Amino acid sequence: AQSVSQHNHHVILSEAASLELGCNYSYGGTVNLFWYVQYPGQHLQLLLKYFSGDPLVKGIKGFEAEFIKSKFSFNLRKPSVQWSDTAEYFCAVSGGGADGLTFGKGTHLIIQP
Amino acid sequence: EAGVAQSPRYKIIEKRQSVAFWCNPISGHATLYWYQQILGQGPKLLIQFQNNGVVDDSQLPKDRFSAERLKGVDSTLKIQPAKLEDSAVYLCASSLSQTGAYGYTFGSGTRLTVV
Repeated sequence: AQSVSQHNHHVILSEAASLELGCNYSYGGTVNLFWYVQYPGQHLQLLLKYFSGDPLVKGIKGFEAEFIKSKFSFNLRKPSVQWSDTAEYFCAVSGGGADGLTFGKGTHLIIQP
Repeated sequence: EAGVAQSPRYKIIEKRQSVAFWCNPISGHATLYWYQQILGQGPKLLIQFQNNGVVDDSQLPKDRFSAERLKGVDSTLKIQPAKLEDSAVYLCASSLSQTGAYGYTFGSGTRLTVV
């Protein structure tokens, strides 16, 4: 079975700081990779996804992620965070015979003004 | 386009009672998923439908959980009888493609509290 590991459960940053959230997955075959964001009281929203092609993926709100197949990683980055980025971030993977998503436990990001 | 609709938004029940959740996916989305999100954890897939057929229910506790998707559109998820550990947010998602090639759209969820 697939598994997804998110390295940091809680991250606190100041505005304008750079962000990198780690994500590793276990399956070695072809996978589709996703980052979702969940703002307080809201539903999951897709930030970006990787299916194939350029391993550097750009998403909404200035976020990007890099797929490194050799490291089974798909880390999320943003060069300068804003207070409005405070939310829960989930890395997810599909593939390996499973069409549904396998999620990591999430990273709670708090941006201090 | 309209999103994935779920109801109710909140439900509080006593243990051993039964409860049902409803989901209406995005029009035209053949694939529908139910996830369980326990506080502090990521969502866990319970069941996946392709039209009105079950594709994957390997993580559904079938002794107490059941789900159906009659006519391949709306879906209901039922818990009978509920246990305290069933307290969670139940998310419905839909996708245009079975492989998720076009992504997945999530509803706002139903927050269940079992007391």
